[in-house]
Amino acid sequence: EVQLVESGGGLVQPGGSLRLSCAASGFTFSTYPMNWVRQAPGKGLEWVSYISRSSSTIYYADSVKGRFTISRDNAKNSVYLQMNSLRAEDTAVYYCARESAVAGEYYFDYWGQGNLVTVSS
Amino acid sequence: SYELTQPPSVSVSPGQTARITCSADALPKQDAYWYQQKPGQAPVLVIYKDNERPSGIPERFSGSSSGTTVTLTINGVQAEDEADYYCQSADSGGTYRLFGGGTKLTVL
Repeated sequence: EVQLVESGGGLVQPGGSLRLSCAASGFTFSTYPMNWVRQAPGKGLEWVSYISRSSSTIYYADSVKGRFTISRDNAKNSVYLQMNSLRAEDTAVYYCARESAVAGEYYFDYWGQGNLVTVSS
Repeated sequence: SYELTQPPSVSVSPGQTARITCSADALPKQDAYWYQQKPGQAPVLVIYKDNERPSGIPERFSGSSSGTTVTLTINGVQAEDEADYYCQSADSGGTYRLFGGGTKLTVL
């Protein structure tokens, strides 16, 4: 059974930092691209970042570029999101999501349960 | 910039057909995908590659496309289908993934 379990969320002050982790199991992690998607309270889904199988290709949404860093450790079956210079508008539930392994197909077939990040003083 | 536009809400009675549209601001020639999200839960993929259903998704869910608009159709809507639905695609270069604003489906 495919499982994605996020951790590391919580309350942080504006300007602070937080690192989210997503532990994967039930599939060959190194063969799938991974993404982070967030959802502000009462709002829609917003794609945040993408990382390829080997970490050779990384993309960010404009809203987080320069502040967030995605990474992965295939030996530990984990993907991470380092979030710096956090703002109130970064408050959201953050989901890690597995992307299709087929090139040119960009859908997310499995999602974690989500992890709440609250940026507030 | 490339945007996906969905109606904020759609309402149908049980047993009727619900159609949720997603319009592309430009045509990137990428496939569109659909997710269902119930309150307090993570999104679930219901349609991929325009009209493919993952294992476990009922046959009443289907997708179609025409020009710059893709449509999620739910035939014989059931009370359990009440949820938020999001379309998703990517830009023409496959760099940015993006979501529509979401449509709240209400089963009357």
